[in-house]
Amino acid sequence: GENVEQHPSTLSVQEGDSAVIKCTYSDSASNYFPWYKQELGKGPQLIIDIRSNVGEKKDQRIAVTLNKTAKHFSLHITETQPEDSAVYFCAASTGTASKLTFGTGTRLQVTL
Amino acid sequence: NAGVTQTPKFRVLKTGQSMTLLCAQDMNHEYMYWYRQDPGMGLRLIHYSVGEGTTAKGEVPDGYNVSRLKKQNFLLGLESAAPSQTSVYFCASSKGGTDQPQHFGDGTRLSIL
Repeated sequence: GENVEQHPSTLSVQEGDSAVIKCTYSDSASNYFPWYKQELGKGPQLIIDIRSNVGEKKDQRIAVTLNKTAKHFSLHITETQPEDSAVYFCAASTGTASKLTFGTGTRLQVTL
Repeated sequence: NAGVTQTPKFRVLKTGQSMTLLCAQDMNHEYMYWYRQDPGMGLRLIHYSVGEGTTAKGEVPDGYNVSRLKKQNFLLGLESAAPSQTSVYFCASSKGGTDQPQHFGDGTRLSIL
């Protein structure tokens, strides 16, 4: 089955700096890669996603890149703000039921 | 719209007891999923459903059963709870298809003593 690895497990940046989280996946058939943000006591919230026919996607301060050949994808957050502090999860989707395999999460802390 | 609603939010059980977690979605989504989240392990798929009356096993199905009698509801049952099932349980739903986003509820925190 699919295996998704996520790094780093923790990341601390100063407000205004950029943050990058990287994930690799194992199944070349995976075709959909969402990123979720999870705040304490809440469920994961979709922040951006990318499909396998696209190399890059941007939404304001958030961008995701996908390298299908290398089987890795990354989340980029620019101009970080304290409200960006949360746990971020990457995931990969395979098959007709869109089952997601999640990475183990990155705890991002944005300090003032 | 409420989106995905999970009940209860918290529950404490004793080993051997049974219970049912309820997930309801108001987005007319075809697919529904149950995950568990444990520290350091991300979310793992327990069971899922691609339509009313259908269910299938995910990555960690042992000890759980599910039912999808109505399109908007997906129930997760624990017949004989074990301490290893202490976790946070999340339900999600999606429109269906191979690349549609999943929308999550806020979870049920379950402790089994």
